[in-house]
Amino acid sequence: GENVEQHPSTLSVQEGDSAVIKCTYSDSASNYFPWYKQELGKGPQLIIDIRSNVGEKKDQRIAVTLNKTAKHFSLHITETQPEDSAVYFCAASLISGGYNKLIFGAGTRLAVHP
Amino acid sequence: DAGITQSPRHKVTETGTPVTLRCHQTENHRYMYWYRQDPGHGLRLIHYSYGVKDTDKGEVSDGYSVSRSKTEDFLLTLESATSSQTSVYFCAISDTSWADTQYFGPGTRLTVL
Repeated sequence: GENVEQHPSTLSVQEGDSAVIKCTYSDSASNYFPWYKQELGKGPQLIIDIRSNVGEKKDQRIAVTLNKTAKHFSLHITETQPEDSAVYFCAASLISGGYNKLIFGAGTRLAVHP
Repeated sequence: DAGITQSPRHKVTETGTPVTLRCHQTENHRYMYWYRQDPGHGLRLIHYSYGVKDTDKGEVSDGYSVSRSKTEDFLLTLESATSSQTSVYFCAISDTSWADTQYFGPGTRLTVL
């Protein structure tokens, strides 16, 4: 079936370094790609999203890039801080039964060490 | 945070008992979703609703049913809970379409003994 693969499953960086998380998707019709951050004991929170008509989007220290030909997209966090430590999920839209739905990756646990 | 509450936040129950989880929103959003979250699986869609009394199955719907009698409430029922349904359950809402931003509730941790 349709799926989204996310790598790595865990990522450990030093404060100030950059972190990159990559996702690949299988449905070429997918056109919406959100990224969520989940802190311990809380629900996922949208941090950035991108649609298929653009290749890159930035919001302060966070950026997302999309390569539709290769069917992959990536989250880039620069100048990481300890509060960036969380689990990050990517997702891709999928049309099923006449409706778009989101398929989520398995998540990446990011640890930022002071 | 979007105005989404889930109740209960934690529940422990025994195999074979019925369980109902509630999602309540104050945003007047049309779409509501129930997901389960398990280690290594990310978030998987159980059921969704595209309006009052309009619901449909997601990818892991077996053993679950839903109801939506009001815009603001979406109920998830486990007819006869099993240990495989031990999980964290999240409700989400979106305004205009599936591909619109989905906002998640705080989650319910369910343990089936």
